[in-house]
Amino acid sequence: NAGVTQTPKFQVLKTGQSMTLQCAQDMNHEYMSWYRQDPGMGLRLIHYSVGAGITDQGEVPNGYNVSRSTTEDFPLRLLSAAPSQTSVYFCASSRGTDEKLFFGSGTQLSVL
Amino acid sequence: QKEVEQDPGPLSVPEGAIVSLNCTYSNSAFQYFMWYRQYSRKGPELLMYTYSSGNKEDGRFTAQVDKSSKYISLFIRDSQPSDSATYLCAMLGPGSARQLTFGSGTQLTVLP
Repeated sequence: NAGVTQTPKFQVLKTGQSMTLQCAQDMNHEYMSWYRQDPGMGLRLIHYSVGAGITDQGEVPNGYNVSRSTTEDFPLRLLSAAPSQTSVYFCASSRGTDEKLFFGSGTQLSVL
Repeated sequence: QKEVEQDPGPLSVPEGAIVSLNCTYSNSAFQYFMWYRQYSRKGPELLMYTYSSGNKEDGRFTAQVDKSSKYISLFIRDSQPSDSATYLCAMLGPGSARQLTFGSGTQLTVLP
């Protein structure tokens, strides 16, 4: 039982490049979400999903896309990376929206 | 003004001290209150989860919620060097999204 797995752990991009951050969970959780963590800002919700085929925007969705084709996977796509997207990204999952959140170990992204 | 305010610290205490970590909030609709612990370069992990006003104890940790004052606290008794981490408060309100709102985190160091 691996929990929430995020790849890659580190990534450096140039401005304008695109990439996908991968997230997978093996706990059969319905709810999955993506956060970014910046110094002094805490964790801010980017996008979330309450089940396969259902996604919605969080607090800071601009510049990011998500899809949820399976219960297990919830990838986050950066369409055209900008320096403002330099951050640590966390994927999280839970059984329901008011249940305990399980976090992955994070992806540290730098956009030059 | 942020919905959730948390003193970022850093806070440094000697081993064995009692630690008090606090958050204030402005949204009276918040119903669930959580404390997460985050070690360096790791994802947050849930430490305490409370619903109502009052105290909840779990080992050396006590979570306190005062809804009338919109104030929550986490107390750590007999603090250990292994408690050195960033502590994040988080709150959940009603609504279909039921999105967690996080404080910015308090960095704690327990000195041996």
